Amino acid sequence: DAGVTQSPTHLIKTRGQQVTLRCSPKSGHDTVSWYQQALGQGPQFIFQYYEEEERQRGNFPDRFSGHQFPNYSSELNVNALLLGDSALYLCASSPTAVYGYTFGSGTRLTVV
Amino acid sequence: AQTVTQSQPEMSVQEAETVTLSCTYDTSESNYYLFWYKQPPSRQMILVIRQEAYKQQNATENRFSVNFQKAAKSFSLKISDSQLGDTAMYFCALGLSNFGNEKLTFGTGTRLTIIP
Repeated sequence: DAGVTQSPTHLIKTRGQQVTLRCSPKSGHDTVSWYQQALGQGPQFIFQYYEEEERQRGNFPDRFSGHQFPNYSSELNVNALLLGDSALYLCASSPTAVYGYTFGSGTRLTVV
Repeated sequence: AQTVTQSQPEMSVQEAETVTLSCTYDTSESNYYLFWYKQPPSRQMILVIRQEAYKQQNATENRFSVNFQKAAKSFSLKISDSQLGDTAMYFCALGLSNFGNEKLTFGTGTRLTIIP
């Protein structure tokens, strides 16, 4: 049973560009959450998607947006990249009926 | 708002010894879960143990156990018979459960090194 799959694993972008990160949830999971983890810090919640709608959002600017597809997979989009957006982006999926999260291995984004 | 504090940035212990990682939290909610996650160099967050706030009994998972003090808002992790594979970053996290799997709030982590 595949867990949470994220792509790409690493990415280098130039300041001002746009980036899209992808996440496929664990089988049986319908909720996807995204987290940003800066170097040496704990993950910070960006937003959560359920039934193709943004259900919760953390304290991130509108440059961060997302989408959930009917198959529960999700994308995280970041526009107008800043150097400070360099981080590990983690995706976590969870089922509706059981409390718990499964994390992917993340996408390492470097903005130069 | 929820906060999670881990006051030990780094710890090290000899292999086979016992180590305790500290965590305090703050929330005004009554329905929540507490977690310890392990993050090795592979980057994936791996669930170590979880505790439902409404349960008084401390959770245990093999060599891992917690000391959950609800009134003091304290949630420490004890690792017994530590192994080299336990070397990793450890994060304490709090999740509300008012409508299911709500967002997790993480601490800043403790880097644990097991010395051979």
